Order: sequence, then C-alpha cells, then structure tokens
Amino acid sequence: KNEVEQSPQNLTAQEGEFITINCSYSVGISALHWLQQHPGGGIVSLFMLSSGKKKHGRLIATINIQEKHSSLHITASHPRDSAVYICAVVESQGNLIFGKGTKLSVKP
Amino acid sequence: NAGVTQTPKFQVLKTGQSMTLQCAQDMNHEYMSWYRQDPGMGLRLIHYSVGAGITDQGEVPNGYNVSRSTTEDFPLRLLSAAPSQTSVYFCASRAWEGGFYEQYFGPGTRLTVT
Repeated sequence: KNEVEQSPQNLTAQEGEFITINCSYSVGISALHWLQQHPGGGIVSLFMLSSGKKKHGRLIATINIQEKHSSLHITASHPRDSAVYICAVVESQGNLIFGKGTKLSVKP
Repeated sequence: NAGVTQTPKFQVLKTGQSMTLQCAQDMNHEYMSWYRQDPGMGLRLIHYSVGAGITDQGEVPNGYNVSRSTTEDFPLRLLSAAPSQTSVYFCASRAWEGGFYEQYFGPGTRLTVT
C-alpha cells in the first residue's frame, strides 16, 4: 500500500472551473508539501503546511491532520495551470515521501 | 543565487558504463538529496546528506554511490549502469524557513541506459 495516495490520477477541466486534488497519507508527518511539475520537468514548491489552510493567489491548500488528508484547490482555472501536482509528506526523519502525482489539463 | 543546478540535462549510457551526475547549490544548505522519477511512480529517495562528510541511504540506493566533500556539491555516481536505471534524476536541497523545511529542486537529468 502506498503511504501517500493522490486522487484523481488525471484531471481534465475547462478554463474557469474550480479544481480539487486530494492527498491521503498513512504515516505520521511533520508537514506536507504541494509541488508543481510543468511539462518541461522542473519541480517547484507551492505550499508547505502542517495545519489549517494556506492561500496563494488562486491556489488554496488545506490539511486535516486527524484525518490524514490534504486538498489542493485551484479557483478560476487557466490553461497555464496545466501541470502535474504532487503531494509529498515529511516523515519522521525529515525525508519526503511522494505521491504519484495528479496530471491536470485545463482546456481553453 | 543560481539555486540548485544539475548537469548534464540529458545523458545516454550503454549498459556497464559509469558516470557521475553533478549537483550543486549556492544557498549554503546543509541537507541535499537525490531522487529518481519513473513513470507511474512517485519520486523516490536514492541518497541524502545532512552535511559535508555525512551521507545516508534512501529508499532505492542500490547501484548508486554518493559523497559530500563540500556543502555545495553532492554528486551521484553510477558505477555500472543498467537499463533499470533509466529515469529522470532530481537533486534537491532544503532550508529551514518560516518554521518549515522549504525544498529546492534542480532541473533534473534525463538518463537513458541502453
């Protein structure tokens, strides 16, 4: 069983739609990262959180530690949001355990 | 700052050849790590280092060696390449910022072993 599960694996949306990507984990963590990987391959960190909610522009990330679940929301989606979104948890030794990623495609 | 840099961007090797993937960071981060990314799988930790002279194995260390002689550099060595090592390799560093470890990734090296 994977320690970090993301859903859905693939997501196609129309421009302007509200998007939710989910992440569930089964290990104890100190924090959770949401990462973005564009088709060119580079990976950038979007959010780090250990409780509650964070917002950056049109992106919102939430985490529920008791339920071991996090969500990434994108409001008013745009084709430039097309990317792979990766959830990664920080385990007890400080290393990252990654989900397999959610491939998002936003159509104009 | 250049951030985390990796060379080369692309590499093709024949089975049994050796090579070193280079990784450098200019942010004075103590922690550096190497991951591989394969289709249908999440990134997996190969080796990591918490400072110069200290390295440790991650989830998939077999077939790879690392060393950390300076804070800036963390090369990954393939001693005898195998087709199973065809992958995209990412180097990363991290820093304590605002109460969390912020992660910085290099641009990746796409390796094909034939």
